[in-house]
Amino acid sequence: EDKVVQSPLSLVVHEGDTVTLNCSYEVTNFRSLLWYKQEKKAPTFLFMLTSSGIEKKSGRLSSILDKKELFSILNITATQTGDSAVYLCAVTNNAGNMLTFGGGTRLMVKP
Amino acid sequence: NAGVTQTPKFRILKIGQSMTLQCTQDMNHNYMYWYRQDPGMGLKLIYYSVGAGITDKGEVPNGYNVSRSTTEDFPLRLELAAPSQTSVYFCASSASRGRYNEQFFGPGTRLTVL
Repeated sequence: EDKVVQSPLSLVVHEGDTVTLNCSYEVTNFRSLLWYKQEKKAPTFLFMLTSSGIEKKSGRLSSILDKKELFSILNITATQTGDSAVYLCAVTNNAGNMLTFGGGTRLMVKP
Repeated sequence: NAGVTQTPKFRILKIGQSMTLQCTQDMNHNYMYWYRQDPGMGLKLIYYSVGAGITDKGEVPNGYNVSRSTTEDFPLRLELAAPSQTSVYFCASSASRGRYNEQFFGPGTRLTVL
């Protein structure tokens, strides 16, 4: 059974801090790992990672995948209150397009 | 494009009642999914479909049924609502090629069973 574990469960930081969110996984025939940001409603897509060692960046957010150690990290630099959300990690395998989600990390950024 | 739309946004059911959660996408995606998200938890897959007429069970299918008669629509049916089905339900879709692993989510339906 595919499994995704995220840590920490929750995190409180102040604006301007840098945070690192972790995602470890066990999946048969890994295909890709995805990060989503979920505020009040539906998750919104951030990154999709398929290859080890290649960093994906979008503004202050970046992510990298390690397929040997089976984990990914999501970094957010110079955090802002608008970064407050639940960050979800999900993996998919070669069997199809199904995503297996982790439990999420709840990030709160205080002014 | 409206993307993925879901109705209703909110619903309260009594134990034993039934209802259908509607999901429609206008992106011509072959793949569609239903997830539930319990408070403070990640998403769990209920059912998915790889095309019209084809559906399959996900992680937590018990108590639910689906159908996929068209590419656009993927309704989720609860036959005998139970308090354990109190959750937020998300429908999602993805293309079968190209950015095939990016799933687009609807806004969710918040269901309470009392």
